[in-house]
Amino acid sequence: DAMVIQNPRYQVTQFGKPVTLSCSQTLNHNVMYWYQQKSSQAPKLLFHYYDKDFNNEADTPDNFQSRRPNTSFCFLDIRSPGLGDAAMYLCATSRDRGTINEQYFGPGTRLTVT
Amino acid sequence: RKEVEQDPGPFNVPEGATVAFNCTYSNSASQSFFWYRQDCRKEPKLLMSVYSSGNEDGRFTAQLNRASQYISLLIRDSKLSDSATYLCVVKGGNAGNMLTFGGGTRLMVKP
Repeated sequence: DAMVIQNPRYQVTQFGKPVTLSCSQTLNHNVMYWYQQKSSQAPKLLFHYYDKDFNNEADTPDNFQSRRPNTSFCFLDIRSPGLGDAAMYLCATSRDRGTINEQYFGPGTRLTVT
Repeated sequence: RKEVEQDPGPFNVPEGATVAFNCTYSNSASQSFFWYRQDCRKEPKLLMSVYSSGNEDGRFTAQLNRASQYISLLIRDSKLSDSATYLCVVKGGNAGNMLTFGGGTRLMVKP
């Protein structure tokens, strides 16, 4: 029973060509997160939505945007991908933002930029 | 200084060995602590939460020392399937209710 679904699992895009990654959840959780994880590094939080409230991390480049049209779906838009944006992009959800709330991760989308 | 620090390893151990990982965190206001496991090219999965009194789940024991600001994970009787990267994760502190991940410790269990 998939709970956090990411599509596609692998995405290849060209340098500078906009790309959208998709995440959906069946958990009805209030919070959805997007992380970027480069090889051999820790996941880095880009932003999160608490319901419809968008929260950007201070060091997330403007090149990264997000949309959450409803509770179930959240999108990551990379407006002009650079070679340095090649990474695994992980979507996660949690019921709420309190410290006791576990985050559930999707399988990730591996982005290649050519 | 990173907020959550781990020895990246790799730790190469034979099957059946006991192995311990440590992790230190810099913000004393951190409130919740976890160990996640991440297999190669897969997503992180929660292994266990870490409680102040220490907690055990089968072959895995987690301990928290708030005074020294370190967290440990002990794996007894290592299995080949334990080979993975173990991520120390802290919640609260500078990141508020967000998770802050350590860089991970890679474990390789050999036959």
